[in-house]
Amino acid sequence: AQTVTQSQPEMSVQEAETVTLSCTYDTSESDYYLFWYKQPPSRQMILVIRQEAYKQQNATENRFSVNFQKAAKSFSLKISDSQLGDAAMYFCAYRSLITGTASKLTFGTGTRLQVTL
Amino acid sequence: GAGVSQSPSNKVTEKGKDVELRCDPISGHTALYWYRQSLGQGLEFLIYFQGNSAPDKSGLPSDRFSAERTGGSVSTLTIQRTQQEDSAVYLCASSPDRVVTDTQYFGPGTRLTVL
Repeated sequence: AQTVTQSQPEMSVQEAETVTLSCTYDTSESDYYLFWYKQPPSRQMILVIRQEAYKQQNATENRFSVNFQKAAKSFSLKISDSQLGDAAMYFCAYRSLITGTASKLTFGTGTRLQVTL
Repeated sequence: GAGVSQSPSNKVTEKGKDVELRCDPISGHTALYWYRQSLGQGLEFLIYFQGNSAPDKSGLPSDRFSAERTGGSVSTLTIQRTQQEDSAVYLCASSPDRVVTDTQYFGPGTRLTVL
């Protein structure tokens, strides 16, 4: 079974600065998807960015980018030019591509990001 | 269009009572998922519906939990004889599932408190 580990329960960043959230995972599969979801106080999970394991190029979405290290099974999220609205819980998630395993997401325990003035 | 909706937003119940949680997926989405988020924990997969196929119930924690999806749309998660450890946020997600890589879109969740 796959596992996802987020070792930083809380992080803090000043507005306009850059912060990196860590995520490692364990799998024996060679092809899969990785995701970062944001959960603000409203509780609604919002997709931030996703990475296909077969792609070597790191995904980027505006101020959000990832550092995907497949051999190390590491998938960190970098938030540049942090804004107050970025404050939320961030979850790293794994999705298998093997048919029959369901399309469920396996989540880490989350990192709470605080953004200060 | 409208996103995934869930009701009620909050539910307080007494230990031993049954509860029903409802999820309305995005129109046209064939896949529907239920997850549970306990305090300080990540999301835990409960059950997955895909079209007319038999649901994947592999994540249900006990036989007190059940779910159904009527007409391929609305889903209801039922917890019988609730226990205090059932207190959590229950999140529903839907996906077009045209391909396995389709994104899952989440609802706002139902916060269940069992006294």
